[in-house]
Amino acid sequence: GESVGLHLPTLSVQEGDNSIINCAYSNSASDYFIWYKQESGKGPQFIIDIRSNMDKRQGQRVTVLLNKTVKHLSLQIAATQPGDSAVYFCAETFSGSARQLTFGSGTQLTVLP
Amino acid sequence: NAGVTQTPKFQVLKTGQSMTLQCAQDMNHNSMYWYRQDPGMGLRLIYYSASEGTTDKGEVPNGYNVSRLNKREFSLRLESAAPSQTSVYFCASSRDGSNQPQHFGDGTRLSIL
Repeated sequence: GESVGLHLPTLSVQEGDNSIINCAYSNSASDYFIWYKQESGKGPQFIIDIRSNMDKRQGQRVTVLLNKTVKHLSLQIAATQPGDSAVYFCAETFSGSARQLTFGSGTQLTVLP
Repeated sequence: NAGVTQTPKFQVLKTGQSMTLQCAQDMNHNSMYWYRQDPGMGLRLIYYSASEGTTDKGEVPNGYNVSRLNKREFSLRLESAAPSQTSVYFCASSRDGSNQPQHFGDGTRLSIL
């Protein structure tokens, strides 16, 4: 079956630097994408989403970019803080799937002091 | 704001025992979901309920049953637990099947001996 995958399982950045987490998806029918943050012992926490009719969306310190041509999604975190250390998942879904989410395997982001 | 509440938080079972995991949401959401998360992996959908009175299988339904008790509550039952069902179980809810993010509880950590 089709799945969502991540390029890198781990990412370490210096505090204050920008972070970029990448995600590849293979289902060309996917039209809605979500980024989640998961801290140890907690459930996934919604960060930001984007619909397929957009290529960029900004939130507070986060930006999601969508490139449908190459089926690529990225999450940019500005001025990374220690509290940003977590596992980040991208998830995709498409209309007609009853909005079932397909998750990638996750990227562990570590913020270095 | 409670959001999605799961009980219990931890449980240890012996092979063959049965158990029901409880989930309740207070956001008046129509859709609810059960996922499992295994080490180093993303979440996989077990069952979902698009609306009160309906349930459907997800990616990994074998060995599980669900009940959408009312709009707020969605339970997951293991009739005869197996070691392969050792996992962290997450419940989620969303407003409906449109482009809305799912919101997650903090999980039930289940070990089957």
